[in-house]
Amino acid sequence: DIRMTQSPSSLSASVGDRVTITCQASQDIRDYLSWYQHKPGQAPKLLIYDASNSETGVPSRFSGSGSGTDFTFTISNLQPEDIGTYYCQHYDNLVFTFGPGTKVEIK
Amino acid sequence: EVQLVQSGAEVKKPGESLKISCKGSGYTFDNYWIGWVRQMPGKGLEWLGIIFPADSETRYSPLFQGQVTISADKSINTAFLQWSSLRDSDTALYYCARIWIGWFDSWGQGTQVTVSS
Repeated sequence: DIRMTQSPSSLSASVGDRVTITCQASQDIRDYLSWYQHKPGQAPKLLIYDASNSETGVPSRFSGSGSGTDFTFTISNLQPEDIGTYYCQHYDNLVFTFGPGTKVEIK
Repeated sequence: EVQLVQSGAEVKKPGESLKISCKGSGYTFDNYWIGWVRQMPGKGLEWLGIIFPADSETRYSPLFQGQVTISADKSINTAFLQWSSLRDSDTALYYCARIWIGWFDSWGQGTQVTVSS
């Protein structure tokens, strides 16, 4: 089974900061990785698919990169509405795995 | 507009059965896999399983195989998640989501299931 890890598990940053979250797979997953934002009381929202492709309508400050086993998610200019938990997710042959999540807070 | 609307919150006792639903609209329901995702209190997202409504092919996470049953009725554009005997540990928020290729692109609003004696 492929395991996904994320770091950090939580972070606190100031409005306007650049925030980076990493996701690591236990084996090569090519670019089969997505990123979601989950705010309290709301459904999760797809932000990035295939490692670096932005979902329609997602603000340009959100971006993703990486392939193989190491992936990065970046918020280039943190906004107050960006608070929430961010998850990476891998898929392969109709099996899906979420990372443990990174909670983002505003200082 | 793609929408997935889930059934309302449930409060059940251990040992009871339960079936929650997820109704899709705004797209051809048959043509997309639907997945179920769990969030236990204070925890992260976990994938339970998926179903292809056109032929009801299902796949389960090994962690949930035998613990839940996923079904669908394509005539009413609805997917279901059911338990035959609930446990306290099934208390969680359950989401359905449409799958495109390998990601969950549209989500239901979630159904809170509380199991308590």
